Amino acid sequence: GAGVSQTPSNKVTEKGKYVELRCDPISGHTALYWYRQSLGQGPEFLIYFQGTGAADDSGLPNDRFFAVRPEGSVSTLKIQRTERGDSAVYLCASSSGGGGETQYFGPGTRLLVL
Amino acid sequence: LAKTTQPISMDSYEGQEVNITCSHNNIATNDYITWYQQFPSQGPRFIIQGYKTKVTNEVASLFIPADRKSSTLSLPRVSLSDTAVYYCLVGASMDTGRRALTFGSGTRLQVQP
Repeated sequence: GAGVSQTPSNKVTEKGKYVELRCDPISGHTALYWYRQSLGQGPEFLIYFQGTGAADDSGLPNDRFFAVRPEGSVSTLKIQRTERGDSAVYLCASSSGGGGETQYFGPGTRLLVL
Repeated sequence: LAKTTQPISMDSYEGQEVNITCSHNNIATNDYITWYQQFPSQGPRFIIQGYKTKVTNEVASLFIPADRKSSTLSLPRVSLSDTAVYYCLVGASMDTGRRALTFGSGTRLQVQP
């Protein structure tokens, strides 16, 4: 079946604008994760959903970042009042939801804040 | 969270076996050890996961000593297409607690012809 998909693949915005990044997980996966990756670094955890609820949002850097998963499938990461430091690749991953399971990553959305 | 340490970069030639060692001195009892591979402009891809001793699949082997304070990813007969960044992760716990993966900076493997 299809893997994790993310849209858009690239997003360019201006400082102060609002952006939404979308993630379509693998069908049937109950767990969904958002990570952020800066150039030359490994991905950094942002938030984890189990079903519709955010089970762990400890990685969100501040209150400008918010994510939702209203129906337990597609998720949207929302960034308000973007700053140049938000420029990064935003990765989404999903897993079956059990313990210690493999996470399957999407290709990411490359966000550039000018 | 268990911190991992792995070499920043490694070079190899096609056809050679590559071993990448990761140290994780503070690994917890319930933690798995997982390795991911990442190509440029792509998300990380799962390679292999283990808890103890040795695990082998079609692409790699994972060796874990009894104390579990380190692990070694072994790639047999690498090819140019194995050029990528390899991440060692600890923390995909068997319990129902923290699920987030903690990535370090990874090991950049360059395979030469």
